[in-house]
Amino acid sequence: EAGVTQSPTHLIKTRGQQATLRCSPISGHTSVYWYQQALGLGLQFLLWYDEGEERNRGNFPPRFSGRQFPNYSSELNVNALELEDSALYLCASSRQVNTEAFFGQGTRLTVV
Amino acid sequence: KQEVTQIPAALSVPEGENLVLNCSFTDSAIYNLQWFRQDPGKGLTSLLLIQSSQREQTSGRLNASLDKSSGRSTLYIAASQPGDSATYLCAVRAGGTSYGKLTFGQGTILTVHP
Repeated sequence: EAGVTQSPTHLIKTRGQQATLRCSPISGHTSVYWYQQALGLGLQFLLWYDEGEERNRGNFPPRFSGRQFPNYSSELNVNALELEDSALYLCASSRQVNTEAFFGQGTRLTVV
Repeated sequence: KQEVTQIPAALSVPEGENLVLNCSFTDSAIYNLQWFRQDPGKGLTSLLLIQSSQREQTSGRLNASLDKSSGRSTLYIAASQPGDSATYLCAVRAGGTSYGKLTFGQGTILTVHP
């Protein structure tokens, strides 16, 4: 069974541009979560999607947004990129909320 | 606000030692607690999930315990190997405004040397 897959693996953007990150959950999982792991800051919760709806979001500005598609895959969009947005972005999925979460390998976003 | 603390921040042991990693959380009203490992620059690998009603879970050389009332969990690794070298993270799930969210500790960096 395929795990959580994320694309691209690496992404380099210029300050002010927009970045789009993609995530495909494990088959049968309906909940998708996004986390940011910046150097020295640990894992910070960004967004949770379930059944196509945003269910909860972390303490991030509105330029961090996303969506979940009917096939449960998800996109994270970051607008007006800032240097501080450089981080590893991790996606996770679970069969239902509050069940075991499985993570992808992440997208390394570098803003220059 | 839920806060998760892991002690020690780093640990270096010789191969073959048994070791304990500690995790504490401030709000005991959790649904469950999950332990992960992370290799440098990689994603997280799930190790064990303990439901709030459980006291412990075992998987191979790993054993995790949970004392919800005191807000503590331990991860015990038996007969450590160099391949166990990684960052170990614990995370809790709670309700209220944190519903659906995993709150992570800062991790314990484990080095097992031959």
